[in-house]
Amino acid sequence: QVQLVESGGGVVQPGGSLRLSCAASGFTFSSYDMHWVRQAPGKGLEWVAFIRYDGNNKYSADSVTGRFTISRDNSKNTLFLQVNSLRAEDTAVFYCARRGDPDYYHYMDVWGKGTTVTVSS
Amino acid sequence: SSELTQDPAVSVALGQTVRITCQGDSLRNYYASWYQQKPGQAPVLVIYGKNNRPSGIPDRFSGSRSGNTASLTITGAQAEDEADYYCNSRDSSVNLYVFGTGTKVTVL
Repeated sequence: QVQLVESGGGVVQPGGSLRLSCAASGFTFSSYDMHWVRQAPGKGLEWVAFIRYDGNNKYSADSVTGRFTISRDNSKNTLFLQVNSLRAEDTAVFYCARRGDPDYYHYMDVWGKGTTVTVSS
Repeated sequence: SSELTQDPAVSVALGQTVRITCQGDSLRNYYASWYQQKPGQAPVLVIYGKNNRPSGIPDRFSGSRSGNTASLTITGAQAEDEADYYCNSRDSSVNLYVFGTGTKVTVL
């Protein structure tokens, strides 16, 4: 079945780094654009980053630009988020999500269960 | 940056109808998508495009748009519809996408 599984979260000190992964299965990963979305404890959803199906176009929220980098390896059906210079306010559950329509509509039709990043000294 | 504004909370009696709104300039150019999130779970897509439901989403969920406001309507709310609901839209500002502030729906 169509599935996204995140990994790589953990507890990290302020200023530290992590590499989050999202393993895709059950669909042709290389045909789909992908997102990262995060949710701080008790807060709402925040869009973080987006990458086109071929990896040639990438975008990120202004709150993370310069610190977070989205990438993908289509040969391994895996999406990544490199998170650097972490701050306490980056503490959140990070979800990967699939863009459901390649051309016109903008929506996220498949979500992983999330991986938790905790920034604390 | 652009924002999508939602009412923080609404309540609805079991079996009645509730409308959740999402307001923002980006909605003049792009359709909203809507997500249901229950505690401790990942979001689930319930409406996208003009008024499209993914497979498995009950037809009591519907969507609409007027001007800069998108709406999600639950007709005949059920106990299992109690959740947080978020709108999302493509955006024309520096942030490519934006989520709404979220609405907590309580079914009485």
